[in-house]
Amino acid sequence: AQSVTQLDSQVPVFEEAPVELRCNYSSSVSVYLFWYVQYPNQGLQLLLKYLSGSTLVESINGFEAEFNKSQTSFHLRKPSVHISDTAEYFCAVSGLNYGGSQGNLIFGKGTKLSVKP
Amino acid sequence: ETGVTQSPTHLIKTRGQQVTLRCSSQSGHNTVSWYQQALGQGPQFIFQYYREEENGRGNFPPRFSGLQFPNYSSELNVNALELDDSALYLCASSLVQNTEAFFGQGTRLTVV
Repeated sequence: AQSVTQLDSQVPVFEEAPVELRCNYSSSVSVYLFWYVQYPNQGLQLLLKYLSGSTLVESINGFEAEFNKSQTSFHLRKPSVHISDTAEYFCAVSGLNYGGSQGNLIFGKGTKLSVKP
Repeated sequence: ETGVTQSPTHLIKTRGQQVTLRCSSQSGHNTVSWYQQALGQGPQFIFQYYREEENGRGNFPPRFSGLQFPNYSSELNVNALELDDSALYLCASSLVQNTEAFFGQGTRLTVV
């Protein structure tokens, strides 16, 4: 069975400060890893994903995440946050269904990032 | 290219009633998944449909059922509503064997 643990339910940070949102997963099979962002009263938007290859993946708005297989982690980082980054962030894993199609997403409980001026 | 759309956006139902939620997939997508997001929690997988057949199911009772239509749109039906069914229901569409799922805005269901 797969599971995702997001170690921090809330992370307050000042604008332009660095931030790390932690995510650990467990799985007995190879997985895909994702970070989704959810703004208030909205659905989920994909921020970045790890499928294979380079363990460091980046998003277009300055976030990055590093896949660490030995520590089963996929922490999300940003060197300098903006007020507009205030949102809830969800880490997710996905295995494979029979036939090789992507399986369902298993989400963590989320981390609320609050950026203060 | 249209995104994933869900209807209605908000819904209030009484305990014991039945509800149908609808989802239109992103153009060209043939797989639809439904998730339940309770307040303060991450989304939980309900089930997935591919080519009009259920292609995986999470830990939800049989009173949660679904359909996928030939145009790949989908419905989520919940019978005998319980107070704990109050949640945001999210639909996500994707291409089979593609790793990115696109989510709709969700339907906020309140059971009173």
